[in-house]
Amino acid sequence: EIVLTQSPATLSLSPGERATLSCRASQSVGTYLAWYQQKPGQAPRLLIYDASNRATGVPARFSGSGSGTDFTLTISSLEPEDFAVYYCHQRSTWPPYTFGQGTKLEIK
Amino acid sequence: EVQLVESGGGLVQPGGSLRLSCAASGFTFSDYEMNWVRQAPGKGLEWVSYISSSGGTIHYADSVKGRFTISRDNAKNSLYLQMNSLRAEDTAVYYCARDAMFGLCFDSWGQGTLVTVAS
Repeated sequence: EIVLTQSPATLSLSPGERATLSCRASQSVGTYLAWYQQKPGQAPRLLIYDASNRATGVPARFSGSGSGTDFTLTISSLEPEDFAVYYCHQRSTWPPYTFGQGTKLEIK
Repeated sequence: EVQLVESGGGLVQPGGSLRLSCAASGFTFSDYEMNWVRQAPGKGLEWVSYISSSGGTIHYADSVKGRFTISRDNAKNSLYLQMNSLRAEDTAVYYCARDAMFGLCFDSWGQGTLVTVAS
């Protein structure tokens, strides 16, 4: 089973700042990595797939990068609605599909 | 508009059974692979089960193998999860999630249904 480790667990930033979230895989997943955003009481929402492709309707301030075992989700300039929990997810080797434990992005 | 609507959650005693349903609309259900993903209270996401578009290929997480059964009825645009021998650790919000056609990810999610296993 591929283990995904996200860091940091919590990130405290202010609106307008740049956010950098990390996801590290226990073995290579190629570019088969996705990122989701989840707000309290809501279902997850797809942001990024195949490591760097933005899903339909996702603002350009969200970008993904990386391959192999190291991946990054970057939010270039935080908007108030971006404060949420973010999960990475791998589809390289399955079953099982696995998720990271999440990074909580909170307002400083 | 793509819609996935789960139902069937509730309170059940340990050892009991529950059947979850997910009603799909706004897309050709029979073309898509589907999944169940769960989230325990205050915890992260855990993939539970996968079913191919025809129902011919099925996978389960080890944590539910032998207790849960995924199925679908393409004529009714519906996905199901039969949960038996429920344990306290199965307490979670259960989401149905659609596999994307364009990449390896879940591109649409339902709003979830809460399953609570307690005496």
